[in-house]
Amino acid sequence: DVKVTQSSRYLVKRTGEKVFLECVQDMDHENMFWYRQDPGLGLRLIYFSYDVKMKEKGDIPEGYSVSREKKERFSLILESASTNQTSMYLCLTVDSGNTIYFGEGSWLTVV
Amino acid sequence: QKEVEQDPGPLSVPEGAIVSLNCTYSNSAFQYFMWYRQYSRKGPELLMYTYSSGNKEDGRFTAQVDKSSKYISLFIRDSQPSDSATYLCAILLIHRDDKIIFGKGTRLHILP
Repeated sequence: DVKVTQSSRYLVKRTGEKVFLECVQDMDHENMFWYRQDPGLGLRLIYFSYDVKMKEKGDIPEGYSVSREKKERFSLILESASTNQTSMYLCLTVDSGNTIYFGEGSWLTVV
Repeated sequence: QKEVEQDPGPLSVPEGAIVSLNCTYSNSAFQYFMWYRQYSRKGPELLMYTYSSGNKEDGRFTAQVDKSSKYISLFIRDSQPSDSATYLCAILLIHRDDKIIFGKGTRLHILP
């Protein structure tokens, strides 16, 4: 079974803290994505990457950055967390057959 | 016009009823059409996907795509309380950088 692992499931951080959300996939997929999901707004694309060291802005990149140093790991970074970044963050990958695999989500609360 | 439109609901129906969930999309280049079910505090799980216009059945679920109208539907027959969840449509544009667009999700309540 393909696994997309988000190691941090539930986090509480203070305003201004630097936050790292890690996503690791074990099937050598090129395309990886970070979304956030908020009630009434659905899933919104933050950043995506289609290769190592490649990154593309999604629809709402402000306040976020990403890192893809290795193919299996795509990290989402909040340089200075703010309360409006309280959300559920979802990592997903797409294989060559266009099947989408989701991580289980990371619930971040910024206080 | 938004790329994918989906009524957020909530939609409440009695147990045993047929449920119809719908999305419309604007870009005719979209190629894959998916439906996901998401329970509270869980990630989405894939229910069905289809590539072409027409119907695809899997048990009590039927996915329907009408590319000419840019309209996709998910039908649930003999609905059960366990079907209560949020249902998201998703559309995939095959490209060098695959673009996935999600609907906002429809909250469904099946009343016992």
